[in-house]
Amino acid sequence: QKEVEQDPGPLSVPEGAIVSLNCTYSNSAFQYFMWYRQYSRKGPELLMYTYSSGNKEDGRFTAQVDKSSKYISLFIRDSQPSDSATYLCAMTGSTLGRLYFGRGTQLTVWP
Amino acid sequence: EPEVTQTPSHQVTQMGQEVILRCVPISNHLYFYWYRQILGQKVEFLVSFYNNEISEKSEIFDDQFSVERPDGSNFTLKIRSTKLEDSAMYFCASSGTPRDEQYFGPGTRLTVT
Repeated sequence: QKEVEQDPGPLSVPEGAIVSLNCTYSNSAFQYFMWYRQYSRKGPELLMYTYSSGNKEDGRFTAQVDKSSKYISLFIRDSQPSDSATYLCAMTGSTLGRLYFGRGTQLTVWP
Repeated sequence: EPEVTQTPSHQVTQMGQEVILRCVPISNHLYFYWYRQILGQKVEFLVSFYNNEISEKSEIFDDQFSVERPDGSNFTLKIRSTKLEDSAMYFCASSGTPRDEQYFGPGTRLTVT
């Protein structure tokens, strides 16, 4: 069963662009949603963490969750070359913490 | 800022050998996890651990895998008899509760030849 779907890209945008990254999921039990950033051959770095539906903003990053559509998004405003990385969505509904990851979207922001 | 650390960063082993991957979780965290990522594929859950017991394990975590918290700071993953398909990045993560954010270590790249 493909729990979490994420377009792997690659996505290439100019500096200053607004980037939209998305994931869909099938398990309605998922309640906690995360976005991680991963540089090549490094560990995932937590960017955003949200619970249930709604929006959360942190600086240039905004996470959105639409549980009715089983769809989550990460928006990056004023993108910078340093944002170039792979972005992973992850989610769980488990009381035991098991995370389900998307494949990751590879983003390149060129100057 | 507290962080999860892992050693070694890269381990090369021959098929059939045992390996132990080590992790030091964030000090006040109580829940510990191992994930792996085969090159080009998703990050996959292996096991969660709490109160010196396995809480949950995936279908990947078969009898050749084991985890242990040998002391108050380390958390280890042992692979008893490595196979070529065990080659992957192995990530340790920790959280305060199972509903909190999970913080990942930098990973150990395991290469089985």
